[in-house]
Amino acid sequence: NAGVTQTPKFQVLKTGQSMTLQCAQDMNHNSMYWYRQDPGMGLRLIYYSASEGTTDKGEVPNGYNVSRLNKREFSLRLESAAPSQTSVYFCASTLLRQETQYFGPGTRLLVL
Amino acid sequence: SQQGEEDPQALSIQEGENATMNCSYKTSINNLQWYRQNSGRGLVHLILIRSNEREKHSGRLRVTLDTSKKSSSLLITASRAADTASYFCATAEDKLIFGAGTRLAVHP
Repeated sequence: NAGVTQTPKFQVLKTGQSMTLQCAQDMNHNSMYWYRQDPGMGLRLIYYSASEGTTDKGEVPNGYNVSRLNKREFSLRLESAAPSQTSVYFCASTLLRQETQYFGPGTRLLVL
Repeated sequence: SQQGEEDPQALSIQEGENATMNCSYKTSINNLQWYRQNSGRGLVHLILIRSNEREKHSGRLRVTLDTSKKSSSLLITASRAADTASYFCATAEDKLIFGAGTRLAVHP
């Protein structure tokens, strides 16, 4: 099992450009999450999907959209990137919402 | 907003010493989890303790939970250089909420 995979690993964008971060899990988990981590800080929840077909805002959703494409895949889209979105983005999944989360390796995004 | 707050923010010890990290939180929780993050990597789950549990062990890790004080501690015994990482507590209410972490450095 690959666990949680994320693509791309690194990305450099110019202000105003758009991009989609991909996440997939092969553990048959119901819930999936997108977090951002800024230097020296913990994780902040952007969006989550409690189950296939549902998505909800987290703590910092502005400037982002998500799609739960199917049970395996959960994508995060930046429609018009801003320098404040420079961060490391982590995807995670869990079988049950309050239980152990399994994290992907992260996507490092730099917005110039 | 962050629910769990770790203390200290940074900890530097020698190999073989014990490392203790604390986490305080504000509201009622379902469970509390500890995660580890090596530099530049994703988080790895270490241990989950439920609100009706007081202590849990896993190898060299010992976690305690005091719901009356809304606090938890993570003890790593006989630390090794490979334990160098950031450690985060996460409290589970409706969703997991992560603290800012403790950066642990273990020197050979």
